[in-house]
Amino acid sequence: GQQVMQIPQYQHVQEGEDFTTYCNSSTTLSNIQWYKQRPGGHPVFLIQLVKSGEVKKQKRLTFQFGEAKKNSSLHITATQTTDVGTYFCAGPGNTGKLIFGQGTTLQVKP
Amino acid sequence: DTAVSQTPKYLVTQMGNDKSIKCEQNLGHDTMYWYKQDSKKFLKIMFSYNNKELIINETVPNRFSPKSPDKAHLNLHINSLELGDSAVYFCASGQINQPQHFGDGTRLSIL
Repeated sequence: GQQVMQIPQYQHVQEGEDFTTYCNSSTTLSNIQWYKQRPGGHPVFLIQLVKSGEVKKQKRLTFQFGEAKKNSSLHITATQTTDVGTYFCAGPGNTGKLIFGQGTTLQVKP
Repeated sequence: DTAVSQTPKYLVTQMGNDKSIKCEQNLGHDTMYWYKQDSKKFLKIMFSYNNKELIINETVPNRFSPKSPDKAHLNLHINSLELGDSAVYFCASGQINQPQHFGDGTRLSIL
């Protein structure tokens, strides 16, 4: 069946270091969405990418959608302790549901 | 104004009991979802309703029964709770294939 794989599962960085999480879909996606879940919280929508090769920025966060619309990445420049949490990518499945990646949990050491 | 609200936030109960979780959204979305999140953070879709009609029903034990009285509400009833049901249950709403808004979650612990 349709799958969305995300790596790495965990990442520990020193505050100020950069961080990247990668997302790969087994099928072409109409869009890719990114969510952030803080510890003890709920997933919160960050951004949606729709076009092939699209790049969007939100302050220190850079999101990319691959040319083939099957992969995506989230890059955080100069991490801060407020970036701690689990980042999920998600893509629409062919049955009307969103298929979530397994998530990347980011820990930032001050 | 809370967009997606679910109650209760915490639920601690004995094995074998029956319990319900309620969810309401005021965003005017047509579609609502129930997810189960295990200790490894994996978000697993359980059910989805679109305009009160069931459109997604993953391989969930039939002890779990969703009910949608109207498109703003989606409740989840669980019969004969088991230890493996311990998890965080999230309600979400959105339009199909579009970004979803999640509730705060219900942390279910089975003793």
